[in-house]
Amino acid sequence: KQEVTQIPAALSVPEGENLVLNCSFTDSAIYNLQWFRQDPGKGLTSLLLIQSSQREQTSGRLNASLDKSSGRSTLYIAASQPGDSATYLCAALSGGYNKLIFGAGTRLAVHP
Amino acid sequence: EAGVTQSPTHLIKTRGQQATLRCSPISGHTSVYWYQQALGLGLQFLLWYDEGEERNRGNFPPRFSGRQFPNYSSELNVNALELEDSALYLCASSREGLATDTQYFGPGTRLTVL
Repeated sequence: KQEVTQIPAALSVPEGENLVLNCSFTDSAIYNLQWFRQDPGKGLTSLLLIQSSQREQTSGRLNASLDKSSGRSTLYIAASQPGDSATYLCAALSGGYNKLIFGAGTRLAVHP
Repeated sequence: EAGVTQSPTHLIKTRGQQATLRCSPISGHTSVYWYQQALGLGLQFLLWYDEGEERNRGNFPPRFSGRQFPNYSSELNVNALELEDSALYLCASSREGLATDTQYFGPGTRLTVL
C-alpha cells in the first residue's frame, strides 16, 4: 500500500531564501509524482509533474526531482517570495486506476 | 480555456440528509476524479469516472456514489449524511484516463454537516 510522507510539516522563512521541500513514498512502482500548491480554503494548483522515466522538471523558480530507487522527491524553490506562502502537496500515482495518493503537505510561510 | 468548475461553492446540510455536488471538467477532458479533504485526514481519493463508467473507488462506504454524464460532467451524491462527512470535496479532470495525464483540480465544494 502506497504511503506518502512530507517533511517538514511547516516551514517559516524570510523572503529570498532558497527552499527544499521533501516528499517520500513507500512503493517505488509509481507512474508519476506531482507537486501541487493549495492556498487556504482553495483547490489545488498543479505545479510540476514528473513521469516515472524522468529525473526532474523545472518551471520558473521551481525545480522538482524524482529518485524512484530511494522513494524520494524534492521540490526546490529558488529566491522565495511572500506570494509563495501556501501549502505544498506531493502526490504519487501508482498501482494503476489513476488514484493519486497525497502526502499531508508542507505549510510554507515566507515573510518579508 | 475554462478550468474545472464545481458547484455549489458551499453546502450546508443536516445529519441524515442527502448532498449533491457537481463538477464540470475542462473542455476535452473525459476523466473526472473526486477527492475528499477532511480536517486532519488529508486528501483522499473517492471516485474516478471515465467515459461514463466508474473505473475505481476509494475506501468509502456505498453512501458515497456518483455518475458521469454524456457531456463528461459529473455528480457526487452523499446519502445519509454524517457529521464526519464535513469536508472540502475536490473534483479533478484529465484529458484521458491515462496514468501519464496531469489531473487539474477545481476550487472545491465545502460541505458542512450540522
